[in-house]
Formats: sequence, C-alpha cells, structure tokens
Amino acid sequence: SQQGEEDPQALSIQEGENATMNCSYKTSINNLQWYRQNSGRGLVHLILIRSNEREKHSGRLRVTLDTSKKSSSLLITASRAADTASYFCATDAEQGAQKLVFGQGTRLTINP
Amino acid sequence: EPEVTQTPSHQVTQMGQEVILRCVPISNHLYFYWYRQILGQKVEFLVSFYNNEISEKSEIFDDQFSVERPDGSNFTLKIRSTKLEDSAMYFCASLPRLNTDTQYFGPGTRLTVL
Repeated sequence: SQQGEEDPQALSIQEGENATMNCSYKTSINNLQWYRQNSGRGLVHLILIRSNEREKHSGRLRVTLDTSKKSSSLLITASRAADTASYFCATDAEQGAQKLVFGQGTRLTINP
Repeated sequence: EPEVTQTPSHQVTQMGQEVILRCVPISNHLYFYWYRQILGQKVEFLVSFYNNEISEKSEIFDDQFSVERPDGSNFTLKIRSTKLEDSAMYFCASLPRLNTDTQYFGPGTRLTVL
C-alpha cells in the first residue's frame, strides 16, 4: 500500500464547474501539500496544510484535511481550461528527513 | 524570489554511460533532495542530503547512484552506468530547515537513455 493515493485517477469536467480531488495517506504527517504538473513540466506548489489545520483557502483552491481519516481533498472552484493538469498530493512524515511521498495523481481535464 | 535551478533541462545519453545532473539549491537552504518521475508515473523520492552526507535514501538509490555537494553551491546526482529504465524526469529540491514549509523544487532534468 502506498502513502498519498489520489482519487479519481482522471477527472473530466466542463469549464466553470468545480473539481474535487481526494487523497489518502497512511502514516502520521507534519503537513500535506498539493502540487500541479502540466504535461512533461515541473511541479508547481499549490498549497500546504499543516496537520493541526482542517481547512485552508488560496484563491480558487480549498483544501481540507481530516487526520482521523488520513485524507485530504482539493477543491478547485470555477474551473478554467488552464487548470488542465495533473494534481498530486504529497505528505511528509513526522519522523526522518522530511522526504515527500507523492501519490499517483489525478489527471484533470477542463473542457471548454 | 530565489529559486532552485537545474541543468541541463534535457540530457540524452547512451546506455552504460555516466551522467551528472546538476542542481543549484537556494543559497541558505540546508536540506537537499532528489526525486525522479518516470513518464506517466508518480514522483518518487531518491535521496536526501544534509551536512554533507546522505540522511535517507530509497530502494531506488542503489550503488549506481551517488550525490555530492562539491563546492557549497552545486548539488549533483551521478548515475554511473545508465540503464534504459533510468529514463525519467529528475527533480532537485531544497529546504531551509526541517519542519518548515514546503520544499522548493527545481524545474527538472529530463533524462533520456537510449
């Protein structure tokens, strides 16, 4: 089993709709982060939520964290074609050198 | 805003050749990382480096891999004898100290092994 697993694996919606992606993890964490990656490109950091936070907003992004269920969700409101990308959650464990463990990602397609 | 840089952006090499991927972390950062992403797959941790030594490494990071911080600014990943399956995007990241905010990622080096 793997830390940081997202669902769905792929999501296709119409422009203007909201997109929700979920992430589950298995170990205790310091924080959970979401990244975006356009095809073949680098990782763009979107938002970080600490283990003692439950919800965080940044522009059109809303992240929730439920440490009792070891899960997080990323909501993108009023989606745009430019939001088309892969989205990854990443966790860093409480112990160790703070390596990030990434999930498999959700491939989001926004249809105009 | 300071950023992590990586060179080259794309490296093509023949199987069995040695490659060195270079990264310049943010100057006051203390922790350094390499990750890789095989095309279409997730990002995987390779190694973390602190105080001039490896602090943690994954199963992927076998004897063919090594890291070095030769001059206090560069952070390099060497693959001694590349295999086809080493073809991937390699990301460097740095962190000022533990238990701070996010790691800062470089743009990546795409390694193609022929």
